[in-house]
Parts: sequence; C-alpha cells; structure tokens
Amino acid sequence: KAGVTQTPRYLIKTRGQQVTLSCSPISGHRSVSWYQQTPGQGLQFLFEYFSETQRNKGNFPGRFSGRQFSNSRSEMNVSTLELGDSALYLCASSLVGSGNAYNEQFFGPGTRLTVL
Amino acid sequence: GIQVEQSPPDLILQEGANSTLRCNFSDSVNNLQWFHQNPWGQLINLFYIPSGTKQNGRLSATTVATERYSLLYISSSQTTDSGVYFCAVDRGSTLGRLYFGRGTQLTVWP
Repeated sequence: KAGVTQTPRYLIKTRGQQVTLSCSPISGHRSVSWYQQTPGQGLQFLFEYFSETQRNKGNFPGRFSGRQFSNSRSEMNVSTLELGDSALYLCASSLVGSGNAYNEQFFGPGTRLTVL
Repeated sequence: GIQVEQSPPDLILQEGANSTLRCNFSDSVNNLQWFHQNPWGQLINLFYIPSGTKQNGRLSATTVATERYSLLYISSSQTTDSGVYFCAVDRGSTLGRLYFGRGTQLTVWP
C-alpha cells in the first residue's frame, strides 16, 4: 500500500505570494492533519480534516487555510507569505474509527517551503 | 493543551551502546506514538503504544499511562539510528491533533 504523498517536495517563494501544498493520504484513510515544523517552534498542529470538514484547528492566522476533497486528498494554502512561514510542512493521515488503533497517524515526506 | 517533555534533548553514543529516551506528558492520553525523523525530514513510525510494552528488533518501548510517561529503548546502536526521535500524544477529544515533544537528537558515532 502506498504511503502518504506530498507535492511539491520543495518550494521557493517570495514574500507576499501565496502557495498551495497538496497531500494524498494512504488509501482508505479518511483523516488528514497538517503540521508546521520550524527549528524555533518545533512541530505545531495546523488543522485536521475528515469527510471534507475541518474538525480541528491550531493557533495559526487566517492566512493558513485548507480543504479536503471527496477522495480524502487535502490541500493547504498560505496567502501573503511572510519570511516566518519558511518551514517544513508535514501532513499525516489516519483511518479514524472506533478503537484507538484507527487513530495512528502516518506522515508524508513533507514540503520544504522557503520564503525569500 | 497537553505538555510533552522529552529527555535528554541530545544524546551522543558510540556504535554498539544502548540508550533510553524518555517522554513525560502532562495529562491522560488516548494514544502515544514514537517517531524517528530521517535526515530528509520524514517522520517514520516506530511505535503506536498508548500503554504496555512493544518490541521491534533492537527497539522497544514501554508506556505507563497511569504515571504519564513512556520510554524508548535502543539497543546495540548503529550509525543509521542517528536522527531526531519524537514522542507525540493525543486525547480522544483532540480530533486528529498530535501534541509533540521537542525531540531527542541522537548521534551515533562509528
């Protein structure tokens, strides 16, 4: 079974631009979560989607948004990029269901975003 | 949110040595995962261990949920074990949100 995939793997943008990152979950997984990793703040939760609905959101400004499609693929968008948005963006998928084992999260390789 | 503390922050070993990484968490949790972040940034699942003990080759983990800590044991370290090890937890109410520790940076020298 294929793992979580993320595209693109690397991105270079300039301040003020916007960017869209894509995440395809493991087949059959219905939940997708997004995280931002920086050296200063570590791994921080952005948001989670399940059945095309955002169920949970971290403490990030409204410039960060996302969505999920009917096939469970997810995208996140960052508008008006700032230098501080430079980070590794990771997405994770999980099955979701009754029983704890369904909540194990599996991560993609990440998208490394550099804002100049 | 839940506070997750990992220790030690840095660990330097020679090949063949054993090590123990610790993860303390501040509240009751439904799930706990251990990850190894490879040099390219991907988080590799090591254990899904909300309670009890599991073993996978040279690695094993134990979670004592009632005392709010988990331990990751690495035996006979190899250079390929180098990297950052993360502990992450979630509560059933947090809907897909994992709370991460700051990680333990492990360096194994030949």
